[in-house]
Amino acid sequence: DAGVIQSPRHEVTEMGQEVTLRCKPISGHDYLFWYRQTMMRGLELLIYFNNNVPIDDSGMPEDRFSAKMPNASFSTLKIQPSEPRDSAVYFCASSRSRLAGGAYEQYFGPGTRLTVT
Amino acid sequence: RKEVEQDPGPFNVPEGATVAFNCTYSNSASQSFFWYRQDCRKEPKLLMSVYSSGNEDGRFTAQLNRASQYISLLIRDSKLSDSATYLCVVYKAAGNKLTFGGGTRVLVKP
Repeated sequence: DAGVIQSPRHEVTEMGQEVTLRCKPISGHDYLFWYRQTMMRGLELLIYFNNNVPIDDSGMPEDRFSAKMPNASFSTLKIQPSEPRDSAVYFCASSRSRLAGGAYEQYFGPGTRLTVT
Repeated sequence: RKEVEQDPGPFNVPEGATVAFNCTYSNSASQSFFWYRQDCRKEPKLLMSVYSSGNEDGRFTAQLNRASQYISLLIRDSKLSDSATYLCVVYKAAGNKLTFGGGTRVLVKP
């Protein structure tokens, strides 16, 4: 089975430009998560969807960030305009099963390494 | 205070030795706990869940201490391939969120 697919794997852009990151979750998974990872802040949850509906976007840093999930097999994270402090690795993860205690096993994509100059 | 805290390390471990490290969490309402493994420049992957009674998976043993609010991971007979960053993860039903710790880096050396 294909895992979570993310594109692009690397993105270098100039400050002020729009950046769009893409994610295809594992088929049949109804939860999708966007994370950002930096050395300083570690892994941070930005937003997550359940059945294509945004459930919690409290981790989205500011209005420059937006995420959509138009269907069960595709999601985007957009940054407009981008800034150097947005440089990070952005992971998408998906989940279907619930673990003991109600949590869920997340499968992560390979990430998009974003550099904003 | 961070919700989930880990010693960043690195823990330098001779091959074949045992290494153990902890993770503390601040919210006593936390319900479920996990260890994820992240190799350099790769994505995190679930290593094991942590149950109240403690659990073992091969050379890996995880334990939970609710009274002191920490979980631990012990690796026996360390292999070079165990070199990675180990992320502690805490789940709360309220908010339905997983919170990741900053990770503990382990380096196993010959």
